[in-house]
Amino acid sequence: DAMVIQNPRYQVTQFGKPVTLSCSQTLNHNVMYWYQQKSSQAPKLLFHYYDKDFNNEADTPDNFQSRRPNTSFCFLDIRSPGLGDAAMYLCATSRDSGTGGVSLRDTQYFGPGTRLTVL
Amino acid sequence: AQSVAQPEDQVNVAEGNPLTVKCTYSVSGNPYLFWYVQYPNRGLQFLLKYITGDNLVKGSYGFEAEFNKSQTSFHLKKPSALVSDSALYFCAVREKNTGFQKLVFGTGTRLLVSP
Repeated sequence: DAMVIQNPRYQVTQFGKPVTLSCSQTLNHNVMYWYQQKSSQAPKLLFHYYDKDFNNEADTPDNFQSRRPNTSFCFLDIRSPGLGDAAMYLCATSRDSGTGGVSLRDTQYFGPGTRLTVL
Repeated sequence: AQSVAQPEDQVNVAEGNPLTVKCTYSVSGNPYLFWYVQYPNRGLQFLLKYITGDNLVKGSYGFEAEFNKSQTSFHLKKPSALVSDSALYFCAVREKNTGFQKLVFGTGTRLLVSP
C-alpha cells in the first residue's frame, strides 16, 4: 500500500548529540512536511520541501535542519538536541499543483511519527 | 490569518450514542477544512475534508461533518460511537496565499467513549 513511513518509531538521544529522523513515501507526492508535536498539542509546522525547494517556517530554530535527497526521502536533522526538543515528530506529504489554487485532491497524509526522547 | 477553534478539550460519550466534536472557523473567503484523528503514539489519520460542494461530508470509519457557513462551523459527527473511536481529534483549515497546503490546526479534542 502507498504510504508514509517514518524510522525509527522511537529515538533516544543524549543532550547535545546530533540525531537524524527519517521519512520515506511511496505516494510520489511532491511536497513533504515536518511537524513537531508536544504532549497532544496541535502539530507545529517546522518546514516543508516543495520538490527540491526548502521552505523554513519563520519561528523554526536553526537547530533544526532538513534534507531531501530525492522525491521519496526526507530527513530531519537536529544538530544539538535540548530537553525542550523532546516531542513527537511527524512527517507528512501532499501533491500540490503549484498553481496556488485548491484542488479536490488536496490532502496531507501523515506518517506514524517518531517519538524523540532527550536524556 | 485563518484559524479554527475546538472549544472542548474532551468529549465523553457512551458507546452506541451519537457523538459530536465541535469546530468553528475564522477565515476570509471560502474555507478549506479538514478533520484528522490521532491514536496514542501514532501519526494523524485523515478523516474527511470540505473543499466545495455538499455541506454534508462523509469520511472514513463512519464519520461525517457538516459545513455550516452561517454558523462558521464544521462539526464532526458519528451516529453511533464505538469504544475504538476514543482518540484525539484535530480540526484544521488550510491557510491561503501560501503557495502550498499549509494547515492550521485546532488545539484538539480528546474523545472518550465508554463501554
